[in-house]
Amino acid sequence: GQNIDQPTEMTATEGAIVQINCTYQTSGFNGLFWYQQHAGEAPTFLSYNVLDGLEEKGRFSSFLSRSKGYSYLLLKELQMKDSASYLCAVRDGNYQLIWGAGTKLIIKP
Amino acid sequence: ETGVTQTPRHLVMGMTNKKSLKCEQHLGHNAMYWYKQSAKKPLELMFVYNFKEQTENNSVPSRFSPECPNSSHLFLHLHTLQPEDSALYLCASSSGTGDTGELFFGEGSRLTVL
Repeated sequence: GQNIDQPTEMTATEGAIVQINCTYQTSGFNGLFWYQQHAGEAPTFLSYNVLDGLEEKGRFSSFLSRSKGYSYLLLKELQMKDSASYLCAVRDGNYQLIWGAGTKLIIKP
Repeated sequence: ETGVTQTPRHLVMGMTNKKSLKCEQHLGHNAMYWYKQSAKKPLELMFVYNFKEQTENNSVPSRFSPECPNSSHLFLHLHTLQPEDSALYLCASSSGTGDTGELFFGEGSRLTVL
């Protein structure tokens, strides 16, 4: 079966750096997405990786290793507003999106 | 503001009621989706419409009935639901062509079935 694994919950300190990991086993691969979802709000698109390597977008970066079935989302200079759930999703060989259960990130002052 | 609007934001219904969820997108997208989001579970894709045609139905019980009258509007008709259907129902849209295919989500309709 197809599967996405990510930690259920993580805690980090304001101003610090946190890395949220995502591992996947899918039938084929056509890209990996990260979404951010604040409580009671819509998930919003953060990043897309289809080739190996690091994509940087301001304080957020996303990394992909296709050979390892692995990605991470790196958040720098954490702010209280970064408290949210982070969803990892992989588009498989049939262009279907397979979702992880999300990682709830708690930022403490 | 994501360009995708869902109403109502909250809905409480009994098991014998009939209600509908509405979604409208103002992004000119061709594809629209219904997802179910339950606590600590992955998003579950329910239905997909492309150019108003249903292209996917992920073995969803018939008590959920989608309707897509045009490429901007999507409904989910609900009847004789079960308590386990209580969840957040998210609508999303995408352009489907020439880009990453990212989804634009509405804020969801929180459904409670008593």
